[in-house]
Amino acid sequence: QVQLVESGGGVVQPGRSLRLSCAASGLTFSGYAMYWVRQSPGKGLEWVTVISYDDSSKYYADSVKGRFTISRDNSKNTLYLQMNSLRADDTAVYYCATAGGPYYYYYMDVWGKGTTVTVSS
Amino acid sequence: QSVLTQPPSVSAAPGQKVTISCSGSSSNIGNNYVAWYQQLPGTAPKLLIYENNKRPSGIPDRFSGSKSGSSATLGITGLQTGDEADYYCETWDNSLSALFGGGTRLTVL
Repeated sequence: QVQLVESGGGVVQPGRSLRLSCAASGLTFSGYAMYWVRQSPGKGLEWVTVISYDDSSKYYADSVKGRFTISRDNSKNTLYLQMNSLRADDTAVYYCATAGGPYYYYYMDVWGKGTTVTVSS
Repeated sequence: QSVLTQPPSVSAAPGQKVTISCSGSSSNIGNNYVAWYQQLPGTAPKLLIYENNKRPSGIPDRFSGSKSGSSATLGITGLQTGDEADYYCETWDNSLSALFGGGTRLTVL
């Protein structure tokens, strides 16, 4: 079965950087778009970014545009999220999710368990 | 404030039926598929409905989805205590952003 395991979360000071990873197994990773979605404590889900199956398309929420970068390594079945200039309001559980198809507009099919990012001095 | 509007909470008794609405506009729901996710307490979200009304394998037919114009609806029949969760609608917007509704907490009385 499809499994997604996020890692790289932790406590970081405002203004610093962090890189999250999402290791995928049980699927042909290179055939699917991938998402990052976050959830701040006690709040709802917020889409962060998406990348197409072949890295050709990437889209970002306005709240992270210019600070976060999504990437993927299809040879390693791994998705990444580079987060720079972190702010307190970036504090959240970050989930990766497979899309239901190769392109950005597909639904979020399988989700990982999430990794927690806390931005605090 | 979410672009997609959901009621904050709904409740019903075990065995009853409940519907959760998701209201958007022509630039999002009106021109794109809608998905629904269930998030049980303390767990990751799970896909419940995709492409307006399709259920992934393993999702019981007690769960259904529909879309009309710029609104979508999730229906749950035969309510069980295990259905208590937060439910989110999601779609894409023509501005190339994915959107979530604010979420609806279902309480099974």
